[in-house]
Amino acid sequence: AQSVTQLGSHVSVSEGALVLLRCNYSSSVPPYLFWYVQYPNQGLQLLLKYTSAATLVKGINGFEAEFKKSETSFHLTKPSAHMSDAAEYFCAVTIGGGKSTFGDGTTLTVKP
Amino acid sequence: DTEVTQTPKHLVMGMTNKKSLKCEQHMGHRAMYWYKQKAKKPPELMFVYSYEKLSINESVPSRFSPECPNSSLLNLHLHALQPEDSALYLCASSGAGQETQYFGPGTRLLVL
Repeated sequence: AQSVTQLGSHVSVSEGALVLLRCNYSSSVPPYLFWYVQYPNQGLQLLLKYTSAATLVKGINGFEAEFKKSETSFHLTKPSAHMSDAAEYFCAVTIGGGKSTFGDGTTLTVKP
Repeated sequence: DTEVTQTPKHLVMGMTNKKSLKCEQHMGHRAMYWYKQKAKKPPELMFVYSYEKLSINESVPSRFSPECPNSSLLNLHLHALQPEDSALYLCASSGAGQETQYFGPGTRLLVL
């Protein structure tokens, strides 16, 4: 069985500030981990993924995430927030077979 | 090209109507998925097709009927829906390992 917990359903940052969105996972086997972003009335866009290669993963739009097995975490960061980063972010875990488990999502608000 | 297309973008239907949602991908992926997403919630898996065969049905009511005519196309046939079925319906596809899913923009469905 696998599960994902996103800590903080809402995160608010100022433009130019650090973005940190938290994700913890539970998996009985080595997982694949993903971050997706969803803008209003759109589908999910893949930001980045961890598939057992480098533990620090760089994605699109300046985001990166670090896989920490000891902490079962895969937190998403961006050094400097931009207004266009305001969206819903989902962390997901997959252990193969096509079945992904999504976290409940975190709404990121960026204040000017 | 990591594009998954969905038509229509929006659909309004009555409870006695029959309609279909269409999804297409040309990435050579052999797994395709239907998800249902309610506002401010994560996507919920409905169906998975692997090599054009239904591999996962998450106990979805029979008023939703999936079809995979070929490896590039996925349909979702709708009949006698209820107002609570109003949601964003997302299609996704993934390659051989089935770990990374690429999502379409979704169809916004309103059942009156």
